[in-house]
Amino acid sequence: NAGVTQTPKFQVLKTGQSMTLQCAQDMNHEYMSWYRQDPGMGLRLIHYSVGAGITDQGEVPNGYNVSRSTTEDFPLRLLSAAPSQTSVYFCASSYSGLADTYEQYFGPGTRLTVT
Amino acid sequence: AQSVTQLGSHVSVSEGALVLLRCNYSSSVPPYLFWYVQYPNQGLQLLLKYTSAATLVKGINGFEAEFKKSETSFHLTKPSAHMSDAAEYFCAVSKSFGNEKLTFGTGTRLTIIP
Repeated sequence: NAGVTQTPKFQVLKTGQSMTLQCAQDMNHEYMSWYRQDPGMGLRLIHYSVGAGITDQGEVPNGYNVSRSTTEDFPLRLLSAAPSQTSVYFCASSYSGLADTYEQYFGPGTRLTVT
Repeated sequence: AQSVTQLGSHVSVSEGALVLLRCNYSSSVPPYLFWYVQYPNQGLQLLLKYTSAATLVKGINGFEAEFKKSETSFHLTKPSAHMSDAAEYFCAVSKSFGNEKLTFGTGTRLTIIP
């Protein structure tokens, strides 16, 4: 299994540009999430999905859109990038199995700079 | 709403010394608690989790944590620090172990002094 993969690893955008951060998992997990990591603030939840066709907002959803058309993929869209969206973005997936075997798996991250 | 507070954004310990990273939680329901480790330029890896089965939880790499409801704490410890433990550590809380909605602390960067 490749686990959780994210592309690209690095991206530089100009203010106002749009782009999509890709996330895919091959573990057949129901749940997928997007977090952003900023210095001194830990990770904050942007959007999450509990299954194909079902998404919901997290703590910091403004400026981001998501959709989940398949179990495997959960792209994050920035419609009009702003410098405040400069961050490291992590995708994660998990399943609602037994507590003893439960784990949320994280991708390697995408480092985004908006100038 | 759930939240966690990590005391100390930076902790330094000597190689071979005890590692103690502090985490206090706030939750309106019995919480599920997690410790994650992040090595430089990598994603997060689960160290251990508390899901109410046992208050003393053992994880990977010799780490363990004890859930203390009376103190609302879930501190992470390791008896003897190793150079490879240098990383950033995050405490997180969820009200369910479906866990698509983790709330993270601000992190503690652990430095190991040779």
